[in-house]
Amino acid sequence: EKVMTQSPATLSVSPGERATLSCRASQSVSSHVAWYQQKPGQAPRLLIFGASTRATGVPDRFSGSGSGTEFTLTISSLQSEDFAVYYCQQYNNWPPVTFGQGTRLEIK
Amino acid sequence: EVQLVESGGGVVQSGRSLRLSCVASGFNFDDYGMHWVRQAPGKGLEWVSLISWNSDATGYADSVKGRFTISRDNARNSLYLQMNSLRPEDTAVYFCAKAFYDTSGYYDFWGRGTLVTVSS
Repeated sequence: EKVMTQSPATLSVSPGERATLSCRASQSVSSHVAWYQQKPGQAPRLLIFGASTRATGVPDRFSGSGSGTEFTLTISSLQSEDFAVYYCQQYNNWPPVTFGQGTRLEIK
Repeated sequence: EVQLVESGGGVVQSGRSLRLSCVASGFNFDDYGMHWVRQAPGKGLEWVSLISWNSDATGYADSVKGRFTISRDNARNSLYLQMNSLRPEDTAVYFCAKAFYDTSGYYDFWGRGTLVTVSS
């Protein structure tokens, strides 16, 4: 099973600043990575798939990059609604798909 | 508008059974694979099971294999998860999720979830 490790566990950033979230796979997953945003009491929301393709309706301040084992989600200028938990997910040669443990993005 | 509405959660004793349902609307249900994903209280996401659009293919996480059974009824736009021999570690919110396309392993729509609590 491919293990996805996210860092940091918690990231404190001020509104308007850039946030960079990392995700590392235990073995290559090519570009088969998705990112989700989850707010308290809500279902996850798809942000990015294919490592770098934004889902429909996702603002362009969200961008994804990486391939192989190293992936990054960048939020260029944080808005108040962006403070949430973010999960990466791999779907290479699935099942199973596996998720990272999440990064909590909080207001500094 | 795509909607996925789960039901069937509740409190159950260890070793008992529960059946979850998910009713879909707003898209052609029988064109897409469907999955169950769970989230233990305060924890991350864990994939549970998948079923292809025509039920030909199913898959399960090792943690539930042999105990859970996924099924669907395309005529009723419904997805199910039969959970037997429940354990306290199965306590979680269970989400149904729509695959982005039939065989994709990522999800563009999720339900709000239904809470399953297994007491020992």
